Amino acid sequence: DVKVTQSSRYLVKRTGEKVFLECVQDMDHENMFWYRQDPGLGLRLIYFSYDVKMKEKGDIPEGYSVSREKKERFSLILESASTNQTSMYLCASSPGLSPNYGYTFGSGTRLTVV
Amino acid sequence: GENVEQHPSTLSVQEGDSAVIKCTYSDSASNYFPWYKQELGKRPQLIIDIRSNVGEKKDQRIAVTLNKTAKHFSLHITETQPEDSAVYFCAVKYIFGTGTRLKVLA
Repeated sequence: DVKVTQSSRYLVKRTGEKVFLECVQDMDHENMFWYRQDPGLGLRLIYFSYDVKMKEKGDIPEGYSVSREKKERFSLILESASTNQTSMYLCASSPGLSPNYGYTFGSGTRLTVV
Repeated sequence: GENVEQHPSTLSVQEGDSAVIKCTYSDSASNYFPWYKQELGKRPQLIIDIRSNVGEKKDQRIAVTLNKTAKHFSLHITETQPEDSAVYFCAVKYIFGTGTRLKVLA
């Protein structure tokens, strides 16, 4: 089974802190994604990457950046955490070079910014 | 860009009845249509998908139908059971619907 592992299940950070969320997948998938999930809003795409060192903005990239130095690892960075970034963050991966394959999700990181 | 709408937002059915959730999309070039199930406190999981070269796909009690002309696809769950209670999401390209909370009443 493909595994997507997110480093933290719960995080509490202070406003203004720089926050790193890590995601690792073990099946050599080309595509990796970061979504945030909020009640009533579904899953919204923050950033995605289709190859090492490549990144594309999703629908809500403001306040976030990403890093993909190795194929298996995709990091989400909150440059200066704010309370409106309190959310559930989901990492996902998929094979192939187009959006024609299903995702495997990580377990999520629930981030609270105080 | 792609626009995805999912209805209804909540759905309650009696155990044993059927449930149908509909998703509409805007980009006629889209050709892959998955459905995900998210149980409370767990990650979303792919339960069924369909590609544009077929109109229907079944897997035991779940099925997905696709109408490319009208640009919508639907999830059908028959003989619902309490363990079907969850939030269901459709997706087109990188865009997810806002989810449907299904409650199966015993």
